Formats: sequence, C-alpha cells, structure tokens
Amino acid sequence: AAGVIQSPRHLIKEKRETATLKCYPIPRHDTVYWYQQGPGQDPQFLISFYEKMQSDKGSIPDRFSAQQFSDYHSELNMSSLELGDSALYFCASSLATGRPLHFGNGTRLTVT
Amino acid sequence: SQQGEEDPQALSIQEGENATMNCSYKTSINNLQWYRQNSGRGLVHLILIRSNEREKHSGRLRVTLDTSKKSSSLLITASRAADTASYFCATDAGGAQKLVFGQGTRLTINP
Repeated sequence: AAGVIQSPRHLIKEKRETATLKCYPIPRHDTVYWYQQGPGQDPQFLISFYEKMQSDKGSIPDRFSAQQFSDYHSELNMSSLELGDSALYFCASSLATGRPLHFGNGTRLTVT
Repeated sequence: SQQGEEDPQALSIQEGENATMNCSYKTSINNLQWYRQNSGRGLVHLILIRSNEREKHSGRLRVTLDTSKKSSSLLITASRAADTASYFCATDAGGAQKLVFGQGTRLTINP
C-alpha cells in the first residue's frame, strides 16, 4: 500500500539558510499535517491543510511557511534557519477529519 | 506538552509481562488515539477510541477512556521485545484538524 513520502530524508543546512521539505500524501487523503519533533520530545503540531486550504495552525514560527499544491503534495519552507530548528519534521495525511494519521518517515534537519 | 501528560515517562519490563501506560488530557475531545514510534522513525497508528466509547481492544492492545477524568490507558498484554518503542497518546483538541500529542512513554521490553 502507498505510504506518505517525504523528501529529503536528511538535510544539513547552515544558520540563516533556507530549507524546503516536501511531502507526498497517500492518494485520496484530504488532510495533510506537519509536525516538528525535537530529540526526546513529543511531536509538535505545526500546520495542517484540508483540500489544499490551510485548516489549522499550531506553534509554527513566522519564519516557516507551508502550502499544499494542486496535486496534493505539500511543502514546508523554512527561512533564516536557527540552531534550534534542528529536529525531525514529519508529514502525515489522513483520509478525513477524525481518522487516523499516516506518517511519513520524516526529514531529519540539522542546522550547523 | 500542549495537551497533557503521559505516565510513566519510561517503563522497563520483562518479556511476557503486561505494560500499562496512562495519558491525561486537558480539553474536551471527539476521539483519542494511540501511536507507536520506533527511534527516529515515523509514528504508527495503533488504535482510536471515540469519546462515547469506554474500552476498545485490538489484538494484544486494550485501551480505556474516562472522559470524566480526561484520561486514557493503553495496556499491552504478553509483551514482546519487538514492542520496545515510544508510545504517544493524541487527541483531536475538540474537533480541529490538529492532532495534539502527549509527551510519550518510552517502553523497553527486556528479553
């Protein structure tokens, strides 16, 4: 069965650089979520999209933005990177609101 | 955590024993879900319990929900070494398209 695909798997950036993370949800899933998980921490909700429209926002810094495209893939854009942005970034999709989330394997971002 | 706490934060038991993890949350919910995460990997959905349900089973998993106490528990029976992982509860924070996770319990099963 198709799963959520994230790219790249690993990304190393320097402070103040920008990064773009990509997510391809499971076909026919109408909601995409982005989470940030620091070492030993719980996943923190960043933002979600329902049918390509932003539906909810969490603790996402102003330096970050995200969008969902007509083919349903989503991108998380991160600018002016800081050391504290180093984390695992997960994308997830769900068939509908209230249904289980299916997670990708994440992008490990390291900011040096 | 945005939504609540998990208890205990770490649990180490012998293979074959039962493991119980607890989760508390703060706001009203439509459903509560449990997820498992192996180190550095994506989370995997285990079970979903709706706010009008009190108990649910799936294989060796048993989940209870007490909405009056805003708490849930996950029981894993006859644990196996492969159950070693972190376990998170998550709630829909009152219906938004925003699943909020608790701090997780790191479970270690010793062979």
